[in-house]
Amino acid sequence: EAGVAQSPRYKIIEKRQSVAFWCNPISGHATLYWYQQILGQGPKLLIQFQNNGVVDDSQLPKDRFSAERLKGVDSTLKIQPAKLEDSAVYLCASSLGTGGTDTQYFGPGTRLTVL
Amino acid sequence: GEDVEQSLFLSVREGDSSVINCTYTDSSSTYLYWYKQEPGAGLQLLTYIFSNMDMKQDQRLTVLLNKKDKHLSLRIADTQTGDSAIYFCAEKAGGYNKLIFGAGTRLAVHP
Repeated sequence: EAGVAQSPRYKIIEKRQSVAFWCNPISGHATLYWYQQILGQGPKLLIQFQNNGVVDDSQLPKDRFSAERLKGVDSTLKIQPAKLEDSAVYLCASSLGTGGTDTQYFGPGTRLTVL
Repeated sequence: GEDVEQSLFLSVREGDSSVINCTYTDSSSTYLYWYKQEPGAGLQLLTYIFSNMDMKQDQRLTVLLNKKDKHLSLRIADTQTGDSAIYFCAEKAGGYNKLIFGAGTRLAVHP
């Protein structure tokens, strides 16, 4: 079974530029998550989709971050414009559903460096 | 509020047992998890425990839960060099499977 795919793996941009990350979840997984992991910290949930609808975006900085999951499968996360403090690893995860035993499977992440 | 805390670093000798500790604040958490992260990789679920359990064992892994003190621990028996990684404790918060992670404990295994 293929895992969660993310691209690119690394991205370096200058502040005020835009950047987009892509995630393809495990086939059949209805729930998709985007996490931000700053160096030395645990992942923090940015946004969660159930199929193509948003169920939690309470910690998404909506003035600069946006995400979509148009057909309920793959998803993109965009930052526009980027700030220095956005330097982090962006992790995508997926699960079958939202039950406590529905394991979240994580992709390898995209490491973003903002100069 | 929701908060998960862990000690940041643990060093053990190969073959010894490792114990990684975690405290959480949300008493309504129904599930608690341990994830492992190796360099350059995403997180891998190791095990989880339901809040009505005190202990769960899975091969070399033992999870202990003290719900009264909101304390969770992960014991790794016969620790190997391949166990060197960062271990994250997480609690399920809310109704949509949202996970709140601790900052992670870096486990270093030396010969």
